[in-house]
Amino acid sequence: DAGITQSPRHKVTETGTPVTLRCHQTENHRYMYWYRQDPGHGLRLIHYSYGVKDTDKGEVSDGYSVSRSKTEDFLLTLESATSSQTSVYFCAISEPGQGANTGELFFGEGSRLTVL
Amino acid sequence: QQQVKQSPQSLIVQKGGISIINCAYENTAFDYFPWYQQFPGKGPALLIAIRPDVSEKKEGRFTISFNKSAKQFSLHIMDSQPGDSATYFCAASIEAAGNKLTFGGGTRVLVKP
Repeated sequence: DAGITQSPRHKVTETGTPVTLRCHQTENHRYMYWYRQDPGHGLRLIHYSYGVKDTDKGEVSDGYSVSRSKTEDFLLTLESATSSQTSVYFCAISEPGQGANTGELFFGEGSRLTVL
Repeated sequence: QQQVKQSPQSLIVQKGGISIINCAYENTAFDYFPWYQQFPGKGPALLIAIRPDVSEKKEGRFTISFNKSAKQFSLHIMDSQPGDSATYFCAASIEAAGNKLTFGGGTRVLVKP
């Protein structure tokens, strides 16, 4: 298994509170991603990073911010959580290069967030 | 607007049967089409992938069929086993644009013994 650790794995919070999810990797992969998973929507990209301090928005970035100060850590922050952000959040990593599966993403085990 | 549409949402198949999941995409710039398998409580994991220069790819009991003109691709699971019970996602990306996958909505497959 790819060395990806997400924390916390489960969190319950109240509307309006800030929340930070952490993704830590030991693979030294350059690319990191945050997806959210909701029934019927599959996985949708929130933000991604191509390197330290190099981040950009995905398709559902409103209400989220990210930071990447070290290669191994990618933080997702909900500045003021809302009930619509109740979801399962997945971190993923990849390393572009040669080979048959250069587009492969490796996923963490997810962080389940409930906003009451 | 969903760029990758997946059907059916769920599927029940008997052990030994064939599971077929279909996906359609809109963006003709997509050049990488993977399928991911997800078990409950786990993250998705790459199952098999195809590029548009071939029409079919087979790995064991899993086959991707790709129709570039129709902008469709499908996953066939032959001789389905109870251990194949999982959620399957098709996806697409533009490889030169940083491996950002766009996923279909997912298909929950249940294989009955």
